[in-house]
Amino acid sequence: QSVLTQPPSASGTPGQRVTISCSGSNSNIGNNFISWYQQLPGTAPKLLIYRNDQRPSGIPDRFSGSKSGVSASLAISGLRSEDEADYYCVSWDDSLSGYVFGTGTEVTAL
Amino acid sequence: EEQLVESGGDLVQPGGSLRLSCAASGFTFSSYWMSWVRQGPGRGLEWVANIKEDGSEIHYVDSVKGRFTISRDNAKNSLYLHMNGLRVEDTAVYYCTSHQLEIGTCWGQGTLVTVSS
Repeated sequence: QSVLTQPPSASGTPGQRVTISCSGSNSNIGNNFISWYQQLPGTAPKLLIYRNDQRPSGIPDRFSGSKSGVSASLAISGLRSEDEADYYCVSWDDSLSGYVFGTGTEVTAL
Repeated sequence: EEQLVESGGDLVQPGGSLRLSCAASGFTFSSYWMSWVRQGPGRGLEWVANIKEDGSEIHYVDSVKGRFTISRDNAKNSLYLHMNGLRVEDTAVYYCTSHQLEIGTCWGQGTLVTVSS
């Protein structure tokens, strides 16, 4: 059961900025780092953001992350058709002693 | 190139057992936590278990506690997931993932476990 809540879908026209939210609690996002993943159809997830706002090597700066209190956000600037995918957040949960993933957001380029 | 390759997925009856393996290459396997993450058909990602570099600390999601066992062999650069008492709801693609930067730095291609009679 997911304890991190994301909107089921988000969309924008090519070139627009799209933002995805991830809402949790003090036991997870409020007290731990958050990461974000992109999962293209039929493929394994790929790490986009770690430690709230850090990008791994090779991830374009169009992707950015932020965290405030018990919520976090992933922003995609200059949306492209190849960004159409499912996006997930994840954080460690101190109460559960385990990782909790978000419910996932499907991003569509209109 | 960092690579993870899972194997061992199969069709198994409810109550059955299975062992998944994950072979790591291209990075110092013994230096990082490792996790198993699963994804049921048409569903989101679910973390299953993780294990510390030397195997001294392990955590499980509540739904698999007492049924699944995660282990690793650093000499063989391999991660394992022993699954007993399998249930229909355990049906999923199981991914092996490494924690170089954070959980999910590197992912395998996944292996499909189907629990059905």
